[in-house]
Order: sequence, then structure tokens, then C-alpha cells
Amino acid sequence: QQQVKQSPQSLIVQKGGISIINCAYENTAFDYFPWYQQFPGKGPALLIAIRPDVSEKKEGRFTISFNKSAKQFSLHIMDSQPGDSATYFCAANQAGTALIFGKGTTLSVSS
Amino acid sequence: DAGVIQSPRHEVTEMGQEVTLRCKPISGHDYLFWYRQTMMRGLELLIYFNNNVPIDDSGMPEDRFSAKMPNASFSTLKIQPSEPRDSAVYFCASSQSYNEQFFGPGTRLTVL
Repeated sequence: QQQVKQSPQSLIVQKGGISIINCAYENTAFDYFPWYQQFPGKGPALLIAIRPDVSEKKEGRFTISFNKSAKQFSLHIMDSQPGDSATYFCAANQAGTALIFGKGTTLSVSS
Repeated sequence: DAGVIQSPRHEVTEMGQEVTLRCKPISGHDYLFWYRQTMMRGLELLIYFNNNVPIDDSGMPEDRFSAKMPNASFSTLKIQPSEPRDSAVYFCASSQSYNEQFFGPGTRLTVL
């Protein structure tokens, strides 16, 4: 019940396309859902996060869509660029507990 | 702020040797997390501290692993004795809460 399942494991998108990464969770007590971005040789860094009181959050080309009833949330990258090539992790937690990370998705944006 | 600082950045050692990884969290952050990252298992939480006190060490793989946080500005993760299967990238992260975590650059450990 504590797992966060992320898919796909890897993704190849053409420059200008839309990248979509999905995550599913079981624990309905989770109330914070961030996405982290990791470049090779670096540590993960917070990209965008959402709480379950909203269904969507947008920051620039990055959007989180949240479906509380389906217990799923996804990251959409619009107009994907080669510089977006990285590994993306979804995560979730409830107040007072540590984040639980998904297994990660390696995104490659071809130019 | 310089961010989370980890040392060494790379460590190559032989099986059976003791390995000590070091972390300096961001000043003012009360939480410190140690993670291990491998291709097979992804990002695993090993242990985390709140105000220098270990809160959850259920992710520590076995007794060969130990972690300490003697003060608010320093933490160590020790592996003794090290084994080839411990080869991974180890990350330290700090935060002001359970939410946004700031990760260090990681230590790439290779055990031969």
C-alpha cells in the first residue's frame, strides 16, 4: 500500500512533442505529490508538486494532472526539448512521513 | 547557500573495507535523508533524521550499514564491511519538512 508505481520505465519523444509519465498510488492518505528531475551525475531536484485539492497544476511547460478517484497522477511536458532529457521521479507522502519515490522514467528527447 | 555537500564524490574500495560517506545539510534544515540509487532498485530511502535523531532506519539493508548525525551540520553513512553489491550512488538530502527535499550531488561507490 506504500508503493508508488511509475510508468513507463523509459520514453523517447521527438523535439516539440508531448512527454507523459504516469504514477499510481494506493494509500488514500497521501496528500503531497511531487515530481523530481534528475540529470546525469546530479542529484534529483524538485520540479513541480501538487496537493489533492486541485486537479491540475501548471508551471511553464510542465503540468501535473491529478485524478483522486483513480489514485493516479501524471506529468506532462509540452513542447519537449533536448534539454528535458533526464530521469523523472514521481513521489508521494502524507503529513509526518517520508516521501516514497517511484522507480523513475528515463526521458530522451530527440532533436 | 552552497546546497547539500557530500564527500567523497567517488569512492573505489575493495570488498571487506570500511567505507564512510559524509554529508553536510543545508543550514536550517531539520530533516536529513540518506538514499541509495541503483538501476535495478531505483531510489531507496535508507534512513532519515529529524533534529539529529534517527526516525526511521527500516530501509537500512543490514547491520553492515550504520548512520550517525552528531550535530545539525554533519552526518555519516558507514558500511563495514563493504561488499560488491553495495556499489551504488548514495545521496544525502535535507529539508525543512517532510516535503521538498534538496539532494546533494551524490557519492558514487564502487566496491571491487
